[in-house]
Amino acid sequence: QSVLTQPPSVTGAPGQRVTISCTGSSSNIGAAYDVHWYQQLPGTAPKLLIYRYTNRPSGVPDRFSGSQSGTSASLAITGLQAEDEADYYCQSYDNSLSVSVFGGGTKLTVL
Amino acid sequence: QVQLQESGPGLVKPSQTLSLTCSVSGGSISSGNYYWSWIRQPAGKGLEWIGRIYSSGSTNYNPSLKSRVTISVDTSKNQFSLKLSSVTAAETAVYYCAREVPVYSGSYYEDNWGQGTLVTVSS
Repeated sequence: QSVLTQPPSVTGAPGQRVTISCTGSSSNIGAAYDVHWYQQLPGTAPKLLIYRYTNRPSGVPDRFSGSQSGTSASLAITGLQAEDEADYYCQSYDNSLSVSVFGGGTKLTVL
Repeated sequence: QVQLQESGPGLVKPSQTLSLTCSVSGGSISSGNYYWSWIRQPAGKGLEWIGRIYSSGSTNYNPSLKSRVTISVDTSKNQFSLKLSSVTAAETAVYYCAREVPVYSGSYYEDNWGQGTLVTVSS
């Protein structure tokens, strides 16, 4: 059971918009610790996608965006493409566990 | 662009110590306000943060592993290492090293990752 809760899977058709939620609590996201997102393509290492809720590293398309509200964060992907099919993980810090924590991951399937 | 590469035995016996090294290239492990971390991922499962080290040698560990983990740094070789003692089969996983960036709010994120190395714990 992960401290940060993500849906196990989401599905979308090419060109559509999907969102992936990351729900935490008062000891992590609700305590104002930033949320970061990673994309993990099959058989590869995770890649930083969004940092500090809304910032994209150089090279990440603006089709990817992040947001936060209360004890939750979300990753939105617009204009879905086949190459977006991957696992997505959120990350934050939990002050009750004193550890960097990840969500359980969400598998995105592009139909 | 900094690059990281894990190395070490791919097979470790139960109850023994897992030892991995991460070699950093394209930048000095001592420069910038970066930390260096280890993260693992069992097959088909999620990511688990193991711990971090600063170039000064200061460390933070996942409390669930703290009694068995040691992370060290060798700035002369631009490397940092992981030792995990008394391993069990459940710790079979891909182990990643990464560069970690601190955020003012207190969280951290990994902006550069190694390709990962599979460590199997089996007799």
